[in-house]
Amino acid sequence: SQTIHQWPATLVQPVGSPLSLECTVEGTSNPNLYWYRQAAGRGLQLLFYSVGIGQISSEVPQNLSASRPQDRQFILSSKKLLLSDSGFYLCAWSDELSSGANVLTFGAGSRLTVL
Amino acid sequence: TQLLEQSPQFLSIQEGENLTVYCNSSSVFSSLQWYRQEPGEGPVLLVTVVTGGEVKKLKRLTFQFGDARKDSSLHITAAQTGDTGLYLCAGADNNNDMRFGAGTRLTVKP
Repeated sequence: SQTIHQWPATLVQPVGSPLSLECTVEGTSNPNLYWYRQAAGRGLQLLFYSVGIGQISSEVPQNLSASRPQDRQFILSSKKLLLSDSGFYLCAWSDELSSGANVLTFGAGSRLTVL
Repeated sequence: TQLLEQSPQFLSIQEGENLTVYCNSSSVFSSLQWYRQEPGEGPVLLVTVVTGGEVKKLKRLTFQFGDARKDSSLHITAAQTGDTGLYLCAGADNNNDMRFGAGTRLTVKP
């Protein structure tokens, strides 16, 4: 069966410090991978998605970046965090149903607080 | 940008009551999904609907996709405290990426 791991679960970082959140998927190959950010009352905002190694699409201009160094590894990074980067970050992978619909499976999330 | 509006934003009811939450858009979606999220965890898929007018039932939950594939509703019968959570709808855009609404936060009191 497929599983998705995301870490760290919680972190508190000072403004201007770097960030690295990691996500790995097991039990599937060549998955579509996603990073979402969830802010209170605003739902999930798609940040990045990747359809393959080294292929990253960015949805929102920001000081965050993503990389996919391996097929089942997706990393969210920042060189210098801003206060506004605080939030709940979710990694997800998608599987396509026979109907063509994408089904997302999420990790447990990473709660980032920037002080 | 395809926006999904969910209503109500917050809902607090007593155990045993029925409720309906809504997900509306001006855009047509190829498919629409409902997820439930508990605090500190990732959302978990409840259902996917793909056909206009489709109705799906999961025990006490009934999901409906509008005929024009622009809106959806989730009806819960005889709510239980375990139904408490954030209910998110998500629609597939032209690139088949999922776009989420802001969610309805449901609290079921004993």
